Amino acid sequence: EPEVTQTPSHQVTQMGQEVILRCVPISNHLYFYWYRQILGQKVEFLVSFYNNEISEKSEIFDDQFSVERPDGSNFTLKIRSTKLEDSAMYFCASSEAGVSLSYNEQFFGPGTRLTVL
Amino acid sequence: SQQGEEDPQALSIQEGENATMNCSYKTSINNLQWYRQNSGRGLVHLILIRSNEREKHSGRLRVTLDTSKKSSSLLITASRAADTASYFCATDRNTGFQKLVFGTGTRLLVSP
Repeated sequence: EPEVTQTPSHQVTQMGQEVILRCVPISNHLYFYWYRQILGQKVEFLVSFYNNEISEKSEIFDDQFSVERPDGSNFTLKIRSTKLEDSAMYFCASSEAGVSLSYNEQFFGPGTRLTVL
Repeated sequence: SQQGEEDPQALSIQEGENATMNCSYKTSINNLQWYRQNSGRGLVHLILIRSNEREKHSGRLRVTLDTSKKSSSLLITASRAADTASYFCATDRNTGFQKLVFGTGTRLLVSP
């Protein structure tokens, strides 16, 4: 069964460093998302991406964050200058459908645990 | 309260018993989905129910949706120790792009 994959599974970085989290969505999916979950808290939406551009972003997704689909398979989240409060599990998700269809089953990757020291 | 509030926050049962978890939400929705998360792991998609559906089954899972009460329930029948996990509901709204808004989750513990 096709699945979303993410690398690395765990990333440790120093405050102020840049990190890139990578995702490979399910191949026939068109809509891509990043979410994060701070330990013990809810899963929070960060950004959605369609047709090579951001379709929606949350207030969390400020200028230090960016997303890119550098090729036909990868989808990346870059955090330019990490802060302690960026420590969280970051989930990538993809879905086949979007606003034009009535369903929106989103499939999540296993996550990248980011630890900022 | 926020969109997607589950109750109970924690549920402890014995193997073989049924587990019922509830989710309430505030705004109108397009779909409601349930996910499972084992401790520190990824989110596993369980089931999606559309706003025009009232009940859906998948194996030992039964989901109901009551849009008049803005609530949903997830029933796991004949629970197993392997069902131990956190369960989240997630909604998407019927306007705009389909970001999911997650609830706070129910931690289910199934003891052998």
